[in-house]
Amino acid sequence: DTGVSQDPRHKITKRGQNVTFRCDPISEHNRLYWYRQTLGQGPEFLTYFQNEAQLEKSRLLSDRFSAERPKGSFSTLEIQRTEQGDSAMYLCASSLLRGSTSGKTYEQYFGPGTRLTVT
Amino acid sequence: AQRVTQPEKLLSVFKGAPVELKCNYSYSGSPELFWYVQYSRQRLQLLLRHISRESIKGFTADLNKGETSFHLKKPFAQEEDSAMYYCALSHGSARQLTFGSGTQLTVLP
Repeated sequence: DTGVSQDPRHKITKRGQNVTFRCDPISEHNRLYWYRQTLGQGPEFLTYFQNEAQLEKSRLLSDRFSAERPKGSFSTLEIQRTEQGDSAMYLCASSLLRGSTSGKTYEQYFGPGTRLTVT
Repeated sequence: AQRVTQPEKLLSVFKGAPVELKCNYSYSGSPELFWYVQYSRQRLQLLLRHISRESIKGFTADLNKGETSFHLKKPFAQEEDSAMYYCALSHGSARQLTFGSGTQLTVLP
């Protein structure tokens, strides 16, 4: 499978516990994004990596959230001391610059997501 | 700040009827817009990007900068078009996406 993969697909945890999610992007993609999606809403941007560098973080990303992308390959998103409000679908996407005569674009490919439920 | 608005949460049409899913955006720069689709139990996937002006699965979308709109259209809807559709704006140095809240399209037989 050459698409973006995420693990686990589902996670149920108790409030206060820590959780970690993994994302494996498409192998040649140097850009990696994390989004969060709650019920009835579109995905919301959390953070972005170019290779191993985390270059952008949303204000949605509180101090309890941390993301890494060691060696510019897979990425992990950790949530410490989970709260019920953290319950959501966490999506990972990767992209590669595509150029054409009409312009350049970064087309993002999404993984299946990790559904987190905090009880 | 950038914003994407999809005014219809739900849209139902009959098979063979035209369909238009509305998207309006607010952005001070030059917009780069996309339509993503999510079929039942599948991942989010790119349907169209305005920059390539293509038609995918019979769908087209034209960027109207004057009306700040990027509506998705198809002249004859099919049952397999039933899905959740998201309009998204790419922006910033990270080219992150700001999504609308989505429109659930149901094509009735």
